[in-house]
Amino acid sequence: EPEVTQTPSHQVTQMGQEVILRCVPISNHLYFYWYRQILGQKVEFLVSFYNNEISEKSEIFDDQFSVERPDGSNFTLKIRSTKLEDSAMYFCASILARQDRELGTGELFFGEGSRLTVL
Amino acid sequence: QKEVEQNSGPLSVPEGAIASLNCTYSDRGSQSFFWYRQYSGKSPELIMFIYSNGDKEDGRFTAQLNKASQYVSLLIRDSQPSDSATYLCAVIETNFGNEKLTFGTGTRLTIIP
Repeated sequence: EPEVTQTPSHQVTQMGQEVILRCVPISNHLYFYWYRQILGQKVEFLVSFYNNEISEKSEIFDDQFSVERPDGSNFTLKIRSTKLEDSAMYFCASILARQDRELGTGELFFGEGSRLTVL
Repeated sequence: QKEVEQNSGPLSVPEGAIASLNCTYSDRGSQSFFWYRQYSGKSPELIMFIYSNGDKEDGRFTAQLNKASQYVSLLIRDSQPSDSATYLCAVIETNFGNEKLTFGTGTRLTIIP
């Protein structure tokens, strides 16, 4: 079964350091997302990405965050200068192209997550 | 701010009984509703989705949707200890052609053997 893969599974970093989280979405999916979940809290939307540009971003996704699709398979989330409050699980997700389903329908497939710990 | 509300629990149900999980949402235009299960430290795993009013059954799981009341529920029949997890209600929001999944806070379910 196709799956979204994420690396690393766990990263520990010092405050102020740059972190890059990597994701390989499902191959025929064209819409990509990053979500985060602080321990004990809800899963929160960060950003959506389509056609090599950001479609929508949340208030959390400030100038310290960026996303990129550097090649045909990877989708990355970069945090430029990590803060303690960036410690969380970060989930990548993807969904089928719009032409293969109706707007507002379809399953979002999640990766296993990358746990980021900022010290 | 569009909201998805769930009772955070914990909800304790004896093994073999029916677990009932509830969710309300604020965006009347929402048309797709999802139930995810999340084990501690793991990613959300889709259990069911429902688009139309009424009931949808899949094995031991039944999703119920009432768009007029902006209410969606999940019933788990013959609850098993392995069903112990946090259940996340989620709604697709559309905004000028963009889509995103908005999650509730989740309900922690414990099945008591």
